[in-house]
Amino acid sequence: AQSVSQHNHHVILSEAASLELGCNYSYGGTVNLFWYVQYPGQHLQLLLKYFSGDPLVKGIKGFEAEFIKSKFSFNLRKPSVQWSDTAEYFCAVSLNTGFQKLVFGTGTRLLVSP
Amino acid sequence: EPEVTQTPSHQVTQMGQEVILRCVPISNHLYFYWYRQILGQKVEFLVSFYNNEISEKSEIFDDQFSVERPDGSNFTLKIRSTKLEDSAMYFCASSEDSVRSGNTIYFGEGSWLTVV
Repeated sequence: AQSVSQHNHHVILSEAASLELGCNYSYGGTVNLFWYVQYPGQHLQLLLKYFSGDPLVKGIKGFEAEFIKSKFSFNLRKPSVQWSDTAEYFCAVSLNTGFQKLVFGTGTRLLVSP
Repeated sequence: EPEVTQTPSHQVTQMGQEVILRCVPISNHLYFYWYRQILGQKVEFLVSFYNNEISEKSEIFDDQFSVERPDGSNFTLKIRSTKLEDSAMYFCASSEDSVRSGNTIYFGEGSWLTVV
């Protein structure tokens, strides 16, 4: 079965620091990739997604992610974080055939100190 | 921006009781989902629903669970006889079309179920 790994469970950064959150998946076929964010007390919101085309995907709020097929990775990046980026970040995968479900990683809690 | 809404936001129930969690998906969406997140664990897929029937379900979605779209707007998850291990945040979600077609799944804020 496909799985998603997020290696950083907790990340603490100061404002203006650069962010990279790792995401790896295990599936040999074609996948669709997502990053969701959950701000405190709010619902899961889509940050960005990859379905096809340019492997460098730009999302909302200055986030981007790069799909590296050879590494089965879809790391999330932001050059300069803000206090308002404090949230939990989830990587998710869906297969490009058949199934409707998303398989989520365990999430990474990001705390940005002012 | 249209939202998926869920009620209740928090429910405490006694073990063995039936619980119904309610959701109003985004109005033009055709695919509906329930996911859950046990405290400290991953968000897990439970079930997807399309064209008034279940299109896929996980091994978690056993006979104690059921889903229904009783009218044109609501989508419900029923847990027939709750167990302690059902305590979790339950997320409803919807998408305009299938995920494999490139569509985004939109999530609600969740219903936190505590079974005591």
